[in-house]
Amino acid sequence: NAGVTQTPKFRILKIGQSMTLQCTQDMNHNYMYWYRQDPGMGLKLIYYSVGAGITDKGEVPNGYNVSRSTTEDFPLRLELAAPSQTSVYFCASSTETYTEAFFGQGTRLTVV
Amino acid sequence: KNEVEQSPQNLTAQEGEFITINCSYSVGISALHWLQQHPGGGIVSLFMLSSGKKKHGRLIATINIQEKHSSLHITASHPRDSAVYICAVSARTGGGADGLTFGKGTHLIIQP
Repeated sequence: NAGVTQTPKFRILKIGQSMTLQCTQDMNHNYMYWYRQDPGMGLKLIYYSVGAGITDKGEVPNGYNVSRSTTEDFPLRLELAAPSQTSVYFCASSTETYTEAFFGQGTRLTVV
Repeated sequence: KNEVEQSPQNLTAQEGEFITINCSYSVGISALHWLQQHPGGGIVSLFMLSSGKKKHGRLIATINIQEKHSSLHITASHPRDSAVYICAVSARTGGGADGLTFGKGTHLIIQP
């Protein structure tokens, strides 16, 4: 049972480049989330999804896009990378919004 | 929007000491989560609780709903307990999902 899998673990991007952070879960969870973690700050919600085909913005969505074509996958897209997007990104999933959350291992992204 | 405050921000203790980390939040919740994050690693869920007390091995979590306060205790602390401990809260929402609201974390170091 793999849980929540994120790829890549590390990535360096140049300003203006694009990339997709992959997230997949094998627990058949409806709820999936993308968070970013900045030094000295609590994790912030970027986007979330309550099921396939349904996504919504979180607290800090600017500069990002998501899609949810299947229950398992919830990729996060950065279209024009900026230094402010340097952060550690975590994908998470849960059965309901108020149940235990399972996190991926994180993606450390640096934009230079 | 819920505000989550943790204390202390940093804690260094000697092996064997009893550790307490505190968490307070501003509005009613459906559940409170305690998470553990090792350096460079992912985030692991330790507890999810909505009332009373839970215990896993040397870890104990308590919550007081009326006072909007939770504590995480570690008995007989060990250097392998060194990590960042994060408090997060979730709210049961009508139709959507707001994800978790996180504290900034408590950086715990246990010295041999």
